[in-house]
Amino acid sequence: EAQVTQNPRYLITVTGKKLTVTCSQNMNHEYMSWYRQDPGLGLRQIYYSMNVEVTDKGDVPEGYKVSRKEKRNFPLILESPSPNQTSLYFCASSLSGFGVGVSEQYFGPGTRLTVT
Amino acid sequence: KQEVTQIPAALSVPEGENLVLNCSFTDSAIYNLQWFRQDPGKGLTSLLLIQSSQREQTSGRLNASLDKSSGRSTLYIAASQPGDSATYLCAVSNAGGTSYGKLTFGQGTILTVHP
Repeated sequence: EAQVTQNPRYLITVTGKKLTVTCSQNMNHEYMSWYRQDPGLGLRQIYYSMNVEVTDKGDVPEGYKVSRKEKRNFPLILESPSPNQTSLYFCASSLSGFGVGVSEQYFGPGTRLTVT
Repeated sequence: KQEVTQIPAALSVPEGENLVLNCSFTDSAIYNLQWFRQDPGKGLTSLLLIQSSQREQTSGRLNASLDKSSGRSTLYIAASQPGDSATYLCAVSNAGGTSYGKLTFGQGTILTVHP
């Protein structure tokens, strides 16, 4: 089944404790992206990757890191989480490559992160 | 900076009504516009994608139009059903300069269709 998977689905952690949220897709998509969703602020893009070893900042990259060493995986790293990073996080992928814009996106189920 | 606005923020209609959701964007340098559906506590599901060169796309009871020059898109839902109840979001794939690869979402319209 074609899908985007995220782990963990729920995470409660403390301020400053490094964490990684994994994202994996099995559709051989070139484009992958991370978003956070907050009440009243909507869905905002954190980082995106056009292909392996190519990553770029979205609108809210502060406090986050990403890497794209393999085509299928795009982990989101919080080196020192803070309470303002409490949010619902979504990973997404799409087929598109350079020069054609972001095509139809497939979203993961979301990761609910709470930082205390 | 691209800004996407969706109107109305919430809509409640009786079953069977035809309805229109609106999405506007400030920068017309886009590759495409997508409409998504989000059910409570779930991820987003893509409904329709309109390329910047297209005027509309249809899928079943859904029809999406795009007027790139005026920065507007509408999602038309025919003969609404209770199962259509969800949050509907639009997103633009930006084309200008350093925005390439960025997507900007609207805040969504919460739709409730009551029997």
